[in-house]
Amino acid sequence: NAGVTQTPKFRVLKTGQSMTLLCAQDMNHEYMYWYRQDPGMGLRLIHYSVGEGTTAKGEVPDGYNVSRLKKQNFLLGLESAAPSQTSVYFCASTTSGSPLHFGNGTRLTVT
Amino acid sequence: ELKVEQNPLFLSMQEGKNYTIYCNYSTTSDRLYWYRQDPGKSLESLFVLLSNGAVKQEGRLMASLDTKARLSTLHITAAVHDLSATYFCAGGGPRDDKIIFGKGTRLHILP
Repeated sequence: NAGVTQTPKFRVLKTGQSMTLLCAQDMNHEYMYWYRQDPGMGLRLIHYSVGEGTTAKGEVPDGYNVSRLKKQNFLLGLESAAPSQTSVYFCASTTSGSPLHFGNGTRLTVT
Repeated sequence: ELKVEQNPLFLSMQEGKNYTIYCNYSTTSDRLYWYRQDPGKSLESLFVLLSNGAVKQEGRLMASLDTKARLSTLHITAAVHDLSATYFCAGGGPRDDKIIFGKGTRLHILP
């Protein structure tokens, strides 16, 4: 039972580079979320999706884009990485009335 | 816009003692979650509270929800060292599907 899988686990980028983080879930969940976690800040919602083909902005969407072309996948893109985007990124999925199921996180460093 | 506030943000307590973590939220929320996170790990679901007056218990942890006061509590009974972790509450809905987290309570239980 894979649950929620995030790739990659670690990544180092130079300022201005781009990358895509992949989140895949095998639980047929409708809802998927991307959060970033920084020390002392808790988890902050970047973008989320309530179904295939739909996305919406969260608390801190600037500098990120997302796509949900397939129900099981939710991609987070950084078009031009900045040092302020150094963080741990968590993907989560859920269905109505159930808890969020989290992936193991991606540790991103932007130099 | 939903805001979630936890207090305290840091708690150091002795084994065997009882304590409560508080989670206040700013607007109507139709679901309240509690999660645990160990250092360097992902988040693990503890409780989902879906209605006013809901109370759930698992071992030494008990969570409750008062929607009129916009308050959830996580009560720890006779703390043991293994409960040392960071605890997060999160709220969602009812008018949108965002799930917003508090900043977390870092709990340190001294032997």
